[in-house]
Amino acid sequence: QQPVQSPQAVILREGEDAVINCSSSKALYSVHWYRQKHGEAPVFLMILLKGGEQKGHDKISASFNEKKQQSSLYLTASQLSYSGTYFCGTGSNDYKLSFGAGTTVTVRA
Amino acid sequence: EPEVTQTPSHQVTQMGQEVILRCVPISNHLYFYWYRQILGQKVEFLVSFYNNEISEKSEIFDDQFSVERPDGSNFTLKIRSTKLEDSAMYFCASRNEKLFFGSGTQLSVL
Repeated sequence: QQPVQSPQAVILREGEDAVINCSSSKALYSVHWYRQKHGEAPVFLMILLKGGEQKGHDKISASFNEKKQQSSLYLTASQLSYSGTYFCGTGSNDYKLSFGAGTTVTVRA
Repeated sequence: EPEVTQTPSHQVTQMGQEVILRCVPISNHLYFYWYRQILGQKVEFLVSFYNNEISEKSEIFDDQFSVERPDGSNFTLKIRSTKLEDSAMYFCASRNEKLFFGSGTQLSVL
């Protein structure tokens, strides 16, 4: 079963922050975050494996609350290059990774 | 950085024809995947492959679909009799920890 992402879309001005949420009804083994630009393949951002884990990639960070089966992606001081569709991928085992419907982020100057 | 390569980048076929989409995963990866993405929609899981066999498949992956790893480097997706609704971008991916996607094959079924 695929994870649920919110919001569906967000529009930001450069320098603003945003949070994208990802939740699952199943117990999670891992959460992966990807960004996809139009017409391109999804690009790996980060993976979280442990409950309560937080990770960062430049000014993009994420948390994973294993007990709540939720993850959040934090875009801090957004840049124009952050525009794209963000997908969370979740797995309840080592084999299957299912993606949410995506959150479209538009960063404007 | 190593990458997943897919060929062809575009494939146009007539309904009912067979197509084979090809992928070369990253050489030391153990898990292989096929995903598809219909224009403007989410990335949908089709199948995962580990230890030379299918480990998971979705309800989309019916009897018309099959996967093979014929020679230890290539990983193929075959659609036996294509339907109009099979038109999509098909992504191959491989991983150990991080999942790396290929650049995709855009399949158009006419």
